[in-house]
Amino acid sequence: DGGITQSPKYLFRKEGQNVTLSCEQNLNHDAMYWYRQDPGQGLRLIYYSQIVNDFQKGDIAEGYSVSREKKESFPLTVTSAQKNPTAFYLCASNQEGTGYGYTFGSGTRLTVV
Amino acid sequence: GENVEQHPSTLSVQEGDSAVIKCTYSDSASNYFPWYKQELGKGPQLIIDIRSNVGEKKDQRIAVTLNKTAKHFSLHITETQPEDSAVYFCAASRKTGRRALTFGSGTRLQVQP
Repeated sequence: DGGITQSPKYLFRKEGQNVTLSCEQNLNHDAMYWYRQDPGQGLRLIYYSQIVNDFQKGDIAEGYSVSREKKESFPLTVTSAQKNPTAFYLCASNQEGTGYGYTFGSGTRLTVV
Repeated sequence: GENVEQHPSTLSVQEGDSAVIKCTYSDSASNYFPWYKQELGKGPQLIIDIRSNVGEKKDQRIAVTLNKTAKHFSLHITETQPEDSAVYFCAASRKTGRRALTFGSGTRLQVQP
């Protein structure tokens, strides 16, 4: 079955460390997205990529970095510059980079200890 | 950029009653309005959507209405069941420019048996 896989499900990070969240899809989708979810704030767009080797900042990109070297993969690095990284991170993909037909992963919960 | 506001933040209804969740958007160029349901620890799933050339859409117990003039859209769930309990998000996207979804802040719906 096609889908989108995020790993790990839970991640703990010490202050000052960088950490990378994995997102892989086998849906042959061109576009991929990273959203951050905090209680009472909905989903906020961090970065998105409409095609391989290209990506754009979303609304809250500071302290995060991404790469898109392969169509299937869109890893997110949470750097030490992100002041409040504890959150639930969701990856999504769709075919054409519009709002239609998003498929979401099951998320990674990152906690800073 | 687009701003989507969602109300109420929490909603409790008795089983069998109706539930209504409302959203407003700011960008007059937005033309696609999906609704997502998120269960605990999972990624959001699309339940219904509406495009700007349609005023209302229905799928069994759920319906969405859109008022383009007032820039608001609503989700209606009739004959609610305990399994409808979840967090619901509205979203909006535009046809040109940045087309990624912008989400509302979410509504936690609790259906009391």
